[in-house]
Amino acid sequence: AQSVTQLDSQVPVFEEAPVELRCNYSSSVSVYLFWYVQYPNQGLQLLLKYLSGSTLVKGINGFEAEFNKSQTSFHLRKPSVHISDTAEYFCAVSESWVTGGGNKLTFGTGTQLKVEL
Amino acid sequence: GAVVSQHPSWVICKSGTSVKIECRSLDFQATTMFWYRQFPKQSLMLMATSNEGSKATYEQGVEKDKFLINHASLTLSTLTVTSAHPEDSSFYICSARWLPQAGGTGELFFGEGSRLTVL
Repeated sequence: AQSVTQLDSQVPVFEEAPVELRCNYSSSVSVYLFWYVQYPNQGLQLLLKYLSGSTLVKGINGFEAEFNKSQTSFHLRKPSVHISDTAEYFCAVSESWVTGGGNKLTFGTGTQLKVEL
Repeated sequence: GAVVSQHPSWVICKSGTSVKIECRSLDFQATTMFWYRQFPKQSLMLMATSNEGSKATYEQGVEKDKFLINHASLTLSTLTVTSAHPEDSSFYICSARWLPQAGGTGELFFGEGSRLTVL
């Protein structure tokens, strides 16, 4: 079984400042890692994912994340945030499809990013 | 990207009634769909995995007789909350797995969610 920890429930940041949202995971097998964004009363939108290959993954809206296997982390970063980035961000993990994970995602508790002027 | 649509987006019902929520993959076939439940300001909790043409697989602690899931076609899965009570009020989100015909690992696409309020 996997688990995901997002230590920061809320992250306030000023517009145009950089931001990092932390995510740590635990698993006994190889995993895939995801970051999703959720706007109020909406479903989830995939920001980026790590399946294999380069540990630095670039996603939509200028976000990127780096997979660090030794630290079991997958932190999300953006060098300059915008007001429109205000939303809830979820880190998620699944077993690799090779091992039969089948996209069954385990989500973290989420981090509310609030961008202020 | 692929589109997953849920209907209704909002539903209010009286206690004791049943409510059906639909999840459709609009431009792709999804052999597997997932149903999640999200409480206010909390994460998504997987309720069940819905496989086309077979019975759903429920997560531990989820009442299968309470939350009926039907995946009758490759583009439609339904979640029926039977005899709903106020504690069933929640945000229900479905996701569908898209597998490209040329192979690959596939990707999950999420619906917009359905907010259920039971009075």
